[in-house]
Amino acid sequence: DTEVTQTPKHLVMGMTNKKSLKCEQHMGHRAMYWYKQKAKKPPELMFVYSYEKLSINESVPSRFSPECPNSSLLNLHLHALQPEDSALYLCASSQETTGFYEQYFGPGTRLTVT
Amino acid sequence: GDSVTQMEGPVTLSEEAFLTINCTYTATGYPSLFWYVQYPGEGLQLLLKATKADDKGSNKGFEATYRKETTSFHLEKGSVQVSDSAVYFCALTLDTGRRALTFGSGTRLQVQP
Repeated sequence: DTEVTQTPKHLVMGMTNKKSLKCEQHMGHRAMYWYKQKAKKPPELMFVYSYEKLSINESVPSRFSPECPNSSLLNLHLHALQPEDSALYLCASSQETTGFYEQYFGPGTRLTVT
Repeated sequence: GDSVTQMEGPVTLSEEAFLTINCTYTATGYPSLFWYVQYPGEGLQLLLKATKADDKGSNKGFEATYRKETTSFHLEKGSVQVSDSAVYFCALTLDTGRRALTFGSGTRLQVQP
């Protein structure tokens, strides 16, 4: 099974709201990722967790706060977002962070900030 | 820095036509190379991969060969179907440094019946 699940599928939030995106994998992968994808663009890396520790933060604004409660779960907490943060947020996982291992992506959460 | 360059789209083909989507890369080390496909409204699916020179990745009729001498990883399919209409991303990772996927800009494929 190579499935990564994400909830919710769609999210609409105001600029003062607090919400969370959730991602789950049961492949025993030890690396998990958050990407942001704008329309007609490739995904942009936001965060990488390796063995439940944050290993890469691509200078993402603090209104995005990642959390990795255990090896199967990854959350992205959202607070005081801006309309330009509207995008498709993709979660991915891989066996390790070394380059040989492919990443498996979830279906994404389509976020709209009003 | 490391980068991936893909041919501009959209690529429009008739059903059963031959497909080539060009991909070239620049990397400071020895990358692993990937093709991902994104259908409308969905996440990315791994299509195929190659981890060393002269490796050929293949899946669902698609093929790509890792050419170190030309730093290329072109995607090919002998006979496309309407269901292949999607955006295709070429990507690389390195085993050192950042170790995250570097994507090309994506190529939209439209297959007409």
